[in-house]
Amino acid sequence: GQNIDQPTEMTATEGAIVQINCTYQTSGFNGLFWYQQHAGEAPTFLSYNVLDGLEEKGRFSSFLSRSKGYSYLLLKELQMKDSASYLCAVRVRGSQGNLIFGKGTKLSVKP
Amino acid sequence: NAGVMQNPRHLVRRRGQEARLRCSPMKGHSHVYWYRQLPEEGLKFMVYLQKENIIDESGMPKERFSAEFPKEGPSILRIQQVVRGDSAAYFCASSPQGSAEAFFGQGTRLTVV
Repeated sequence: GQNIDQPTEMTATEGAIVQINCTYQTSGFNGLFWYQQHAGEAPTFLSYNVLDGLEEKGRFSSFLSRSKGYSYLLLKELQMKDSASYLCAVRVRGSQGNLIFGKGTKLSVKP
Repeated sequence: NAGVMQNPRHLVRRRGQEARLRCSPMKGHSHVYWYRQLPEEGLKFMVYLQKENIIDESGMPKERFSAEFPKEGPSILRIQQVVRGDSAAYFCASSPQGSAEAFFGQGTRLTVV
């Protein structure tokens, strides 16, 4: 079966750092994605990892360990606008196959 | 270059009616994906299409649901004889050939009354 787990909710303070974890058990692996989704809006692409290690892009970084079936999204210098749901998704077959999504982590940033 | 365009944004249908959801991919994108999102649930894959071909429909319910991506025009997700359980947000995503990244549309929120 396919299973992707991430915490349901997290709260953090403006200016701080927050790490959102994602673990997956899937039949096959061909890349892990992180998306940001504000309420009522489209998911927007944040990062893509296919090899082990850390990918850094501005205030956002994403880490992958394929042997552990584990990824995290790191958000630095949190801003109020970062309050959103963060979706972890795995592609299990082909280079352009469909994505399997976790339920998302709702992040609330407090002043 | 406009993003992925979905219409309508909101659709209300009575039980038993048909719902037609449209998706125009980004210019130059030949791959289209449809996902459904129920309240408090993750996005669930439904179908993956390329022009005039269904590549993977493993997430589509066997009855009442169909999808197409014709040579000309938008991709259409069609739901016949809608039931209350079909109420959800339906998202379309597109990607160009050879790219891992998929771009999502704003979604169509279907309400069945």
